[in-house]
Amino acid sequence: GESVGLHLPTLSVQEGDNSIINCAYSNSASDYFIWYKQESGKGPQFIIDIRSNMDKRQGQRVTVLLNKTVKHLSLQIAATQPGDSAVYFCAEMTGAGSYQLTFGKGTKLSVIP
Amino acid sequence: DGGITQSPKYLFRKEGQNVTLSCEQNLNHDAMYWYRQDPGQGLRLIYYSQIVNDFQKGDIAEGYSVSREKKESFPLTVTSAQKNPTAFYLCASSIRGGWGNQPQHFGDGTRLSIL
Repeated sequence: GESVGLHLPTLSVQEGDNSIINCAYSNSASDYFIWYKQESGKGPQFIIDIRSNMDKRQGQRVTVLLNKTVKHLSLQIAATQPGDSAVYFCAEMTGAGSYQLTFGKGTKLSVIP
Repeated sequence: DGGITQSPKYLFRKEGQNVTLSCEQNLNHDAMYWYRQDPGQGLRLIYYSQIVNDFQKGDIAEGYSVSREKKESFPLTVTSAQKNPTAFYLCASSIRGGWGNQPQHFGDGTRLSIL
């Protein structure tokens, strides 16, 4: 089946800079998207979600952008901190009655002090 | 604090042995899920349950079994039929399975290795 993918497997940023993590999805019927953060040895932690009737959603220091035309999702982290170092996954869900999240392989973000 | 508790954190299995991974949640969530994560990979769904006494196979259910006798608990058994069980196993829960697209929340996983 179709699955979520990521453009960049690794990303290194300077502390204080903004980070942008990208995700391409191939299922045009997907209508719900989530970004997770996973630190080493821990489970994924929910960061932010967005539904397909929106193109932007903001949280605390994070913004998710959704471009349905090109099937692209991005996570922007403002003023990146060392504690942001982790693997970030995007996941998609298709249909209001769906249960299954499809995960990408993840992008590792490394913050340089 | 409300959350999802997985135990044990590390587990070792001998050849031909079945092992059971525990998952308990006190979030009052109806739906629970089991995922497998291999190094450098995303998560793959093993089984999910939307309600007590009901569960469904995910993408990679072969060699695994589950039960859902209580709302709070969703144990996963890795049977001897699973030939490549070494992985990081993650349990998750959500308010309702597939209704209103709610996020899934995860425990901190169990790392299973073969002796």
